[in-house]
Amino acid sequence: EDKVVQSPLSLVVHEGDTVTLNCSYEVTNFRSLLWYKQEKKAPTFLFMLTSSGIEKKSGRLSSILDKKELSSILNITATQTGDSAIYLCAPDPFQGGSEKLVFGKGTKLTVNP
Amino acid sequence: KAGVTQTPRYLIKTRGQQVTLSCSPISGHRSVSWYQQTPGQGLQFLFEYFSETQRNKGNFPGRFSGRQFSNSRSEMNVSTLELGDSALYLCASSPPRNTEAFFGQGTRLTVV
Repeated sequence: EDKVVQSPLSLVVHEGDTVTLNCSYEVTNFRSLLWYKQEKKAPTFLFMLTSSGIEKKSGRLSSILDKKELSSILNITATQTGDSAIYLCAPDPFQGGSEKLVFGKGTKLTVNP
Repeated sequence: KAGVTQTPRYLIKTRGQQVTLSCSPISGHRSVSWYQQTPGQGLQFLFEYFSETQRNKGNFPGRFSGRQFSNSRSEMNVSTLELGDSALYLCASSPPRNTEAFFGQGTRLTVV
């Protein structure tokens, strides 16, 4: 059975801090791993990682995949209150062309002013 | 370009009733997936449709069903509602040959 574990489950930091969110996975036929940010309702796409060791960056956010360790991390530097959200990690197990994501339970990040 | 649209946004139903939720994908997206999100279980995959065919199904009872129309719009139906079906139901559409899923705002279903 496909399994995704995110840690920590919850994190409270002050503005300006740097945080690292972790995701470990066990899925069959791994194809890629996606990170999403969920503030209220709709998760919004952050990154898609397919190759090990190649960092993807978007502003203060960056992410990297380690296929050997079956894990990924999401870094946020100089956090702002607007970064408060649930961050979801979702590996994509390739199943004959079907689009199915297996989500972790997420890390709830709270950034205090 | 309009995003994924889900209707209704909120719904309150009584145990034993049935409910139909609707999802209109982004124009050009033919893959539509449905997810259930609860505080305890997180986001769980329900099913995925592509060109009016169900391509994949998660581990949910047969009370959960769906369909997709020729214009790629999708509906999901839950029959004989149970209290445990209370959740946020999210629909996502994906462009051709791309894993990235774009989510709608969801339908918050409350079963009383």
